[in-house]
Amino acid sequence: NAGVMQNPRHLVRRRGQEARLRCSPMKGHSHVYWYRQLPEEGLKFMVYLQKENIIDESGMPKERFSAEFPKEGPSILRIQQVVRGDSAAYFCASSPQGQGMADTQYFGPGTRLTVL
Amino acid sequence: DQQVKQNSPSLSVQEGRISILNCDYTNSMFDYFLWYKKYPAEGPTFLISISSIKDKNEDGRFTVFLNKSAKHLSLHIVPSQPGDSAVYFCAAAGGTSYGKLTFGQGTILTVHP
Repeated sequence: NAGVMQNPRHLVRRRGQEARLRCSPMKGHSHVYWYRQLPEEGLKFMVYLQKENIIDESGMPKERFSAEFPKEGPSILRIQQVVRGDSAAYFCASSPQGQGMADTQYFGPGTRLTVL
Repeated sequence: DQQVKQNSPSLSVQEGRISILNCDYTNSMFDYFLWYKKYPAEGPTFLISISSIKDKNEDGRFTVFLNKSAKHLSLHIVPSQPGDSAVYFCAAAGGTSYGKLTFGQGTILTVHP
């Protein structure tokens, strides 16, 4: 049973380019979460999605960031016009149940974004 | 606004001894707590969780204790092994959404042979 898959593992972009991060949840999981870890800090919640729905985006920056989890395919975190401050590790997690129930989230290996 | 705090940035323990990692929270709406272990360049790995209806949960060498009145939880690892050396994060959830985990800053545990 494969765990949470993320790709790419490492991504280098120049300022102003777009970054696309992909996440495939564990088999049987329909809830996906994105977190960001800046250097020397803990993980910060960004967004929580179910298939075709954004449930909670309270941690998403207001501009340049968007997320989706389509009916088919992986969840995508998109960062437009990247800046150096976007350099971080981005982690995706999935769970089987979701909102309203205490639920364990299982994390992927992360995508390390470096903005030059 | 740091709602979950791990006040010890690092902890060093001898192999075979007990490791105790601590975590404090301020939001009284939190009622589900988790501990994760993280190696460099990897994602967090789930270790153990506890809901607020309990004050203790045990899984092998790992035990989590919850003191709701003090808003404090701790993770005990007995006996500690060198392979336990990693960063340990506590996380909390609850209130209007369990989807959002709030993490502490992490504690670096080093277990010496």
